[in-house]
Amino acid sequence: AIRMTQSPSSLSASTGDRVTITCRASQDISSSLAWYQQKPGKGPKFLIFAASTLQSGVPSRFSGSGSGTDFTLTISCLQSEDFATYYCQQYYSYPPTFGGGTKVEIK
Amino acid sequence: EVQLVESGGGLDQPGGSLRLSCAASGFTFSNYWMNWVRQAPGKGLEWVANIKQDGSEKYYVDSVKGRFTISRDNAKNSLYLQMNSLRAEDTAVYYCTRVGLTVGSGVFDLWGQGTRVTVSS
Repeated sequence: AIRMTQSPSSLSASTGDRVTITCRASQDISSSLAWYQQKPGKGPKFLIFAASTLQSGVPSRFSGSGSGTDFTLTISCLQSEDFATYYCQQYYSYPPTFGGGTKVEIK
Repeated sequence: EVQLVESGGGLDQPGGSLRLSCAASGFTFSNYWMNWVRQAPGKGLEWVANIKQDGSEKYYVDSVKGRFTISRDNAKNSLYLQMNSLRAEDTAVYYCTRVGLTVGSGVFDLWGQGTRVTVSS
């Protein structure tokens, strides 16, 4: 199975900050990468697919980039509702696998 | 409203069985691949199983092969997960998820709120 590694595992930031989360795949996955946001007690919410394409309705302050093995999720101006845990997921090959998550906390 | 609602979780002993259900509404259920994804307490997400639109293809993560069975009833807009020979490591919140039609195969574009399964003696 392809291993997905996220960093950092957690970070503290303030409203208005720019935040970047990194996701690395153990092998080339082209652009077959999705990002999800999860808040406590809730199911994940789908944000980005194909590494950089925003799902309809996702605010433009979210952006994704990368291809091959290295990917990033950037939140350009952190809002209060963005404090959550973020997961990357590869869908290049079976089984689909997720990163370990990055918790974005309030500083 | 487009939604997935899971049920059937609970507490069971090692070696026991549980059947999870997922009720879909607000979309044409029979058009979509459906999946179960789980999250152990304080841990990340793990894909468990999926099933094709007509039920003709099913895939499982290695750790549940031979113990779990995924199924669906398109007439009832429902997805199921029969869990047998439960182990402590199956303890998790189980999410019903949908694979999107236009976002790339393997992308989970809709999630339920989850149902909790605890395996303990």
